[in-house]
Amino acid sequence: EIVMTQSPATLSVSPGERVTLSCRASQSVSSNLAWYQQRPGQTPRLLIYDASTRATGIPARFSGSGSGTDFTLTISSLQSEDFAVFYCQQYKNWPRTFGQGTKVEIK
Amino acid sequence: QVQLVESEGGVVQPGTSLTLSCVGSGFTFRTYAIHWVRQAPGKGLEWVAFISYDASDKYYADSVKGRFTISRDSSENTVWLQMNSLGAEDTAVYYCARDQRDYFDYWGQGSLVTVSS
Repeated sequence: EIVMTQSPATLSVSPGERVTLSCRASQSVSSNLAWYQQRPGQTPRLLIYDASTRATGIPARFSGSGSGTDFTLTISSLQSEDFAVFYCQQYKNWPRTFGQGTKVEIK
Repeated sequence: QVQLVESEGGVVQPGTSLTLSCVGSGFTFRTYAIHWVRQAPGKGLEWVAFISYDASDKYYADSVKGRFTISRDSSENTVWLQMNSLGAEDTAVYYCARDQRDYFDYWGQGSLVTVSS
């Protein structure tokens, strides 16, 4: 099983700041990586797939990068609606696995 | 618009069974694979099961293998997750999600299953 490790667990950020979230895979997943956002009390929403492609309707302030084992989700200027938990997920191998999540909270 | 709607969950006793359904609309259901993903209270996301568009392939997480069964009837736009021998560790919100080249592009609203005596 590929273990996905996200860091940090929690990030305290002020609106307007740039945010960088990390995700590391225990073995290479090539570019088979997605990022999801889950706002409090809501369903997860796809942000990024194939490591760097924004999903339909996702604002340009969200960007993804990386390949192999190390990946990054960047939010260029945090908006109030971006405070949420973010998960990475690999789809290279079965079972599909998620990271434990990074919570982005208001500073 | 794409919609996935799970059936209501509920409170069940340990050792018993429950079947969840997921009904899709707004897309050609028979051409899409479907996953189930769960989230225990206050915890992260855990992938549970997968069924291919034609039901020829099914995969399960080790934590549910042998206890859960995924199935579908595309004529009814429905996927089911039959859950047997439920334990407290299965308490979670269960989401069905559409597979789009292996990632999950649309999610249902979730169904809370509580296993408790």
